[in-house]
Amino acid sequence: SQQGEEDPQALSIQEGENATMNCSYKTSINNLQWYRQNSGRGLVHLILIRSNEREKHSGRLRVTLDTSKKSSSLLITASRAADTASYFCGVTGANSKLTFGKGITLSVRP
Amino acid sequence: DSGVTQTPKHLITATGQRVTLRCSPRSGDLSVYWYQQSLDQGLQFLIQYYNGEERAKGNILERFSAQQFPDLHSELNLSSLELGDSALYFCASSGLDRVFLRTEAFFGQGTRLTVV
Repeated sequence: SQQGEEDPQALSIQEGENATMNCSYKTSINNLQWYRQNSGRGLVHLILIRSNEREKHSGRLRVTLDTSKKSSSLLITASRAADTASYFCGVTGANSKLTFGKGITLSVRP
Repeated sequence: DSGVTQTPKHLITATGQRVTLRCSPRSGDLSVYWYQQSLDQGLQFLIQYYNGEERAKGNILERFSAQQFPDLHSELNLSSLELGDSALYFCASSGLDRVFLRTEAFFGQGTRLTVV
């Protein structure tokens, strides 16, 4: 399966700290995307990185992609209590399937 | 608001019944994806349609079926429902960028199905 697998499963940090979340996948991909989900609601797209890109930034988010290691990381800098949510890594392969892992639960303590 | 509309928001039904979940994608998006989210299984990819045709299939049970209509809305049909089918069902849509690579997916708010 090509689906992303996030690591760690849960992360608890203090407000103001940085949060780093990792994703690994198994087959070649077209792009990799990170999403956020607040409890019981739909996923919200955060950032997309294509297979020929290595790093992208969006506000307090920084995502890296290492296709040789089949892995990606999402860094949220200067975290806020409002960043508390579940984060999912989605991978799109050549067959256009968009599949996700089980997600990472991030808790940011005020 | 993602622009993806799912109805109904909540559905309670008995085992053995059949239900239909509906999804209207964002204007202009040709791809529709269906996902099932339960506590123990995470976000499971069920099926994808592109412009009316099935594009990719995931862990979709034989009791489940879907289709995408000419106006691009999609329906997910769940039959012979079991207690274990209780979950959040999400629909997402996406378009294509200029070089025909997949873009980000926009998710609806989901349909919470409870089978009793």
